[in-house]
Amino acid sequence: KNEVEQSPQNLTAQEGEFITINCSYSVGISALHWLQQHPGGGIVSLFMLSSGKKKHGRLIATINIQEKHSSLHITASHPRDSAVYICAVSRNTGNQFYFGTGTSLTVIP
Amino acid sequence: DTEVTQTPKHLVMGMTNKKSLKCEQHMGHRAMYWYKQKAKKPPELMFVYSYEKLSINESVPSRFSPECPNSSLLNLHLHALQPEDSALYLCASSQDPGGVTEAFFGQGTRLTVV
Repeated sequence: KNEVEQSPQNLTAQEGEFITINCSYSVGISALHWLQQHPGGGIVSLFMLSSGKKKHGRLIATINIQEKHSSLHITASHPRDSAVYICAVSRNTGNQFYFGTGTSLTVIP
Repeated sequence: DTEVTQTPKHLVMGMTNKKSLKCEQHMGHRAMYWYKQKAKKPPELMFVYSYEKLSINESVPSRFSPECPNSSLLNLHLHALQPEDSALYLCASSQDPGGVTEAFFGQGTRLTVV
């Protein structure tokens, strides 16, 4: 079983829709990261969370440490938001990130 | 400067070639990582350098040889690769190894082994 699970795997939305991507993890973490990867491209860090909620433009990320769950929300989605969104966690011990399998988002105009 | 720069962006090499991938960051980060990513899969950790010393080697075949000449530079030397090694190779860095530290990723090197 993967330490980090994401849902859904694939998501298609109409432009303007509110989007939610979920992430659950089964290990103790020091931080959770939301990452974005466009096709064939590198990875961009969107958020790093250890508690609560963060907002950046139309993106909102929340984390519930007790429930070991995080969500990434996109408000007023746009075709340029189409990408793979990856949840990853870092732990206090060891020095690596554990990645979820990613959510492929397509926003249709 | 919050960039991790990887070169080259694309590389095609034969199975008998020797080539190197390069990764550079000037953020003063002390942890640097190499990941391998196959299509539609999450990145897989290959190596971690912590304070310029190799701290994690995820049982990577010896045809991949990492090198960290200084705190800003990370290389991945390639020799006698196989076609199944074709993938996107991503470099990342973070302020400290693990813990509450944001990771910065490069754009990757798209490697094709023929």
